[in-house]
Amino acid sequence: DADVTQTPRNRITKTGKRIMLECSQTKGHDRMYWYRQDPGLGLRLIYYSFDVKDINKGEISDGYSVSRQAQAKFSLSLESAIPNQTALYFCATSDPTGDTNQETQYFGPGTRLLVL
Amino acid sequence: GQNIDQPTEMTATEGAIVQINCTYQTSGFNGLFWYQQHAGEAPTFLSYNVLDGLEEKGRFSSFLSRSKGYSYLLLKELQMKDSASYLCAGTGGYNKLIFGAGTRLAVHP
Repeated sequence: DADVTQTPRNRITKTGKRIMLECSQTKGHDRMYWYRQDPGLGLRLIYYSFDVKDINKGEISDGYSVSRQAQAKFSLSLESAIPNQTALYFCATSDPTGDTNQETQYFGPGTRLLVL
Repeated sequence: GQNIDQPTEMTATEGAIVQINCTYQTSGFNGLFWYQQHAGEAPTFLSYNVLDGLEEKGRFSSFLSRSKGYSYLLLKELQMKDSASYLCAGTGGYNKLIFGAGTRLAVHP
């Protein structure tokens, strides 16, 4: 079973609709992230959460909101979807390890969103 | 500012060696990651460098020079399955990653 799962995997919606993308993980990591990926732009951070009570805006949070329902669950909402939110969305998790400061992020399979 | 630069595309021949370069400028730099991403799939971790020098891991090696803000990923004995995008990412404070746009590598027979 995958350690980081995302639902739905594909979604088509219309402008103005509210949608939610969900992420669950079984890795036991405290830290979770939402990114979007657009061709030629790489991954950009939308929101991140270092524990259940901690939510932080990333580089491009406008038009998005998140909810950290539990350690294992982190949801991303588009309150009123617009066409330029069409992208591939990834959830990721991480946990600090030892003294090396290495904090590898592990990514879910992605959600492909199309806003018409 | 935060900036990661890497070439957009590269091509190479099966069995050959290819080097993918990355230059970075990130505040709060703690280390540099390389991820592999096949089309339509999730990025997967390849390597992490925090100290200067070369880290070797099988066919893949990664190099870091902190003074020059430079890294490269070296892929040896290329296989067709190595055709993918390779993402360079620098840590940008609070363990946030700043990703480059990725280098799309095409391996030809």
